[in-house]
Amino acid sequence: EPEVTQTPSHQVTQMGQEVILRCVPISNHLYFYWYRQILGQKVEFLVSFYNNEISEKSEIFDDQFSVERPDGSNFTLKIRSTKLEDSAMYFCASSERMGDEQYFGPGTRLTVT
Amino acid sequence: RKEVEQDPGPFNVPEGATVAFNCTYSNSASQSFFWYRQDCRKEPKLLMSVYSSGNEDGRFTAQLNRASQYISLLIRDSKLSDSATYLCVVTLPNGGTYKYIFGTGTRLKVLA
Repeated sequence: EPEVTQTPSHQVTQMGQEVILRCVPISNHLYFYWYRQILGQKVEFLVSFYNNEISEKSEIFDDQFSVERPDGSNFTLKIRSTKLEDSAMYFCASSERMGDEQYFGPGTRLTVT
Repeated sequence: RKEVEQDPGPFNVPEGATVAFNCTYSNSASQSFFWYRQDCRKEPKLLMSVYSSGNEDGRFTAQLNRASQYISLLIRDSKLSDSATYLCVVTLPNGGTYKYIFGTGTRLKVLA
C-alpha cells in the first residue's frame, strides 16, 4: 500500500538554526500539506501546496516558513530561524484531489533547544 | 462557537462494549467528513470517510446528520487495540480550495 514517508524521524536543533523537513507524498497525489502538533494539543494546519505553489496557508506559516517541491517526489518544509516554540511534531500529508481523504506521514519530531 | 467540536473524553469502556462519539460542526457549507485515529505520538490514520447515507466498516459505523450538523462514530465490540484518540475532520470550501478543519479529538480507553 502506498504511503507518505518523512525524514528525519527526529531532528534536534539549536534556536536560530535552519531546518529542512522532508516528505515524499504518495506518487499519484497532487495536493500536499504540512501540519504541526505540539505535544498534547490539536493538529494545526500550516500550508497546502498544489501545482508548485501554495494554495493556502495559516497564520502560523509566517515568513520563517517556506515550502518547496524541489523535484518530482520530494516536498520540503524549511524553517529559517527556529524558535523554542517551533518544537512539535510536523506531519506531511497528501491527497489525490483537494477535499479528499488525506494520508499522513509518520511525522518528524522537531526539538529546538 | 468552535468550527469543529468534540468531547475530549476520556471515554473509559470495558472490552466488548459499544461506544459512540459525536462531532459537531458549525458551518453548514461543510462538504466532506472523516474520522481519523491517532495513537500517542503517531500520525493520524484515516479510519473512514463519512457518507451522507452512513457507512460501516466491520465494527465501525459512521453517520452524518446534516440537519443537526454532526457526525458520529460507533464502535461495537471494543478491543483493547481500539484505545486511541479519534479525530473528526471536516472540509470547508474556501475560494477554490478546501480548508481541512480538525477537531481536538476524543480519547478512548478500552479496559481489560
